[in-house]
Amino acid sequence: QKEVEQDPGPLSVPEGAIVSLNCTYSNSAFQYFMWYRQYSRKGPELLMYTYSSGNKEDGRFTAQVDKSSKYISLFIRDSQPSDSATYLCAMIKAAGNKLTFGGGTRVLVKP
Amino acid sequence: DTEVTQTPKHLVMGMTNKKSLKCEQHMGHRAMYWYKQKAKKPPELMFVYSYEKLSINESVPSRFSPECPNSSLLNLHLHALQPEDSALYLCASSQGGGGTSNQPQHFGDGTRLSIL
Repeated sequence: QKEVEQDPGPLSVPEGAIVSLNCTYSNSAFQYFMWYRQYSRKGPELLMYTYSSGNKEDGRFTAQVDKSSKYISLFIRDSQPSDSATYLCAMIKAAGNKLTFGGGTRVLVKP
Repeated sequence: DTEVTQTPKHLVMGMTNKKSLKCEQHMGHRAMYWYKQKAKKPPELMFVYSYEKLSINESVPSRFSPECPNSSLLNLHLHALQPEDSALYLCASSQGGGGTSNQPQHFGDGTRLSIL
């Protein structure tokens, strides 16, 4: 079983809809959580970084962390075609600088 | 544009060639990383440098040789690669260092490597 599970998609939504992405993890040692966006032929771009349970908002993006359920989410409001990309969740254990990635979810926002 | 710059963007090499990938960051980060990414897969960690010292080697074959000349530069020397080594090679950096940096990593756009 993988330490971090993420649905590969593709997730197809109409423009303007809310995109909902999530990851589950099995190891409670993970304490720091990130979401990255990766366009084709580009490197991952950091979208959100959180380290406590609860919500964090940045523009159209909201990250949620529920450590008790070992579940993290990313919501994208008012989605645009330019949001079409692969979204990777990633997390770090309390001691250590190794990122553990989910497998990535491909998102398609249709005009 | 990312703050982590990688060159070249594309590289085609034969199995007997020697080449190097370069990475540069000017964010004052003291941890730098090399990743390998195959199509439709997440990045896989290869090496971690912390304060210019190699701190993690994820059992990478010796045909990949990393080097960190200073706190801003990271190289990956390639020799006698195999066709299965064709992939996107990503460099990343993060604040702090040591073995307990929990800061987010910032990635470059990678070098797309093809082995003939």
